[in-house]
Amino acid sequence: NAGVTQTPKFQVLKTGQSMTLQCAQDMNHEYMSWYRQDPGMGLRLIHYSVGAGITDQGEVPNGYNVSRSTTEDFPLRLLSAAPSQTSVYFCASSRTPSRTVTDTQYFGPGTRLTVL
Amino acid sequence: GEDVEQSLFLSVREGDSSVINCTYTDSSSTYLYWYKQEPGAGLQLLTYIFSNMDMKQDQRLTVLLNKKDKHLSLRIADTQTGDSAIYFCAEAGRYGGSQGNLIFGKGTKLSVKP
Repeated sequence: NAGVTQTPKFQVLKTGQSMTLQCAQDMNHEYMSWYRQDPGMGLRLIHYSVGAGITDQGEVPNGYNVSRSTTEDFPLRLLSAAPSQTSVYFCASSRTPSRTVTDTQYFGPGTRLTVL
Repeated sequence: GEDVEQSLFLSVREGDSSVINCTYTDSSSTYLYWYKQEPGAGLQLLTYIFSNMDMKQDQRLTVLLNKKDKHLSLRIADTQTGDSAIYFCAEAGRYGGSQGNLIFGKGTKLSVKP
């Protein structure tokens, strides 16, 4: 298993450009999510999905869109990039979304995005 | 709202014990977690503790939970240079989900000096 993969590893955008960060997992996990990590801020949840066709907003969803057409893929779209979106983005997945189950959550290696 | 607080830096000598502390606010959290992030890498689940436990030991790691004070700590015995990393405390957040919707602390950067 490759686990959770993310592409690209690094990206530089100009303000106003759009792009899609890719995330895929090959573990047949129902639950996937996107976090951003900023210095001194920890990780904050952007969007999450509890299964194919179902997505919902997290703590900081503005400026981002997601879709979940397959179990494997969960792309994150930046509609019009802003310098405030400069961050490291992590995709994560786990087997189930049940709050009472300790399912190991697997994180991808991250995408380092700079918006000029 | 929910919040998780932890100190940002800790420096120890190789062979000493490290203790990383964390406080949280959501008393309904079922599980509390410790994640490790090595430089340039994603987060890796290190250990977790169920909210009805006071202590959990796993090899060199000991997790202590004080539910009354909402205080969680991670002790690493015989700290090695390979333990140098950022350690995140986390609790299950309001958006539901097991570990999926986690509220993370800002992370404690552990530096181990030889």
